[in-house]
Amino acid sequence: RKEVEQDPGPFNVPEGATVAFNCTYSNSASQSFFWYRQDCRKEPKLLMSVYSSGNEDGRFTAQLNRASQYISLLIRDSKLSDSATYLCVPYDGQNFVFGPGTRLSVLP
Amino acid sequence: DTGVSQNPRHKITKRGQNVTFRCDPISEHNRLYWYRQTLGQGPEFLTYFQNEAQLEKSRLLSDRFSAERPKGSFSTLEIQRTEQGDSAMYLCASSRPRGDQYFGAGTRLSVL
Repeated sequence: RKEVEQDPGPFNVPEGATVAFNCTYSNSASQSFFWYRQDCRKEPKLLMSVYSSGNEDGRFTAQLNRASQYISLLIRDSKLSDSATYLCVPYDGQNFVFGPGTRLSVLP
Repeated sequence: DTGVSQNPRHKITKRGQNVTFRCDPISEHNRLYWYRQTLGQGPEFLTYFQNEAQLEKSRLLSDRFSAERPKGSFSTLEIQRTEQGDSAMYLCASSRPRGDQYFGAGTRLSVL
């Protein structure tokens, strides 16, 4: 089993839609969790940190279920500029382990 | 610009040549990470430093790869006797302990 698994995608959604991405991780020692977004041929950029059961930042909501070793990211009222690859990243205190990413395309 | 800086941005080399990349982290960050990313994949961990100490190396890091951070500030990643399979984006990131990680723009390596 891979350390981090994400929805394969791509997700093609219309502007204004709500979209959710799932992520599962295998390392139960993971302490904190991050969502990064990565635009084509650019570096990953931190989108959200998830330290407890979840948190919300504007249109973005991340939820964490430690028992199931599952993290989700919900994007509401999606914008064209949300088109990117979303990377799920558990952190075990030393290493950040990146998932393969889920590609989102928001269509006009 | 006080972000993570990587040089060069692009490197084209012939198979068998040695290449060296540099990363300047955010100044107050004592952790520095190197990753490799190929098309369609997430970044793969290579190695990380806390200050000048190299604390972990991935099995991906063969004997041809070496990284240093001699004064606990900037770091270099050297690849000896490059192979076509080394072609990738090499990303550097820095963080405080248990802090958010920030990436540089990467060095794109093409081995011909």
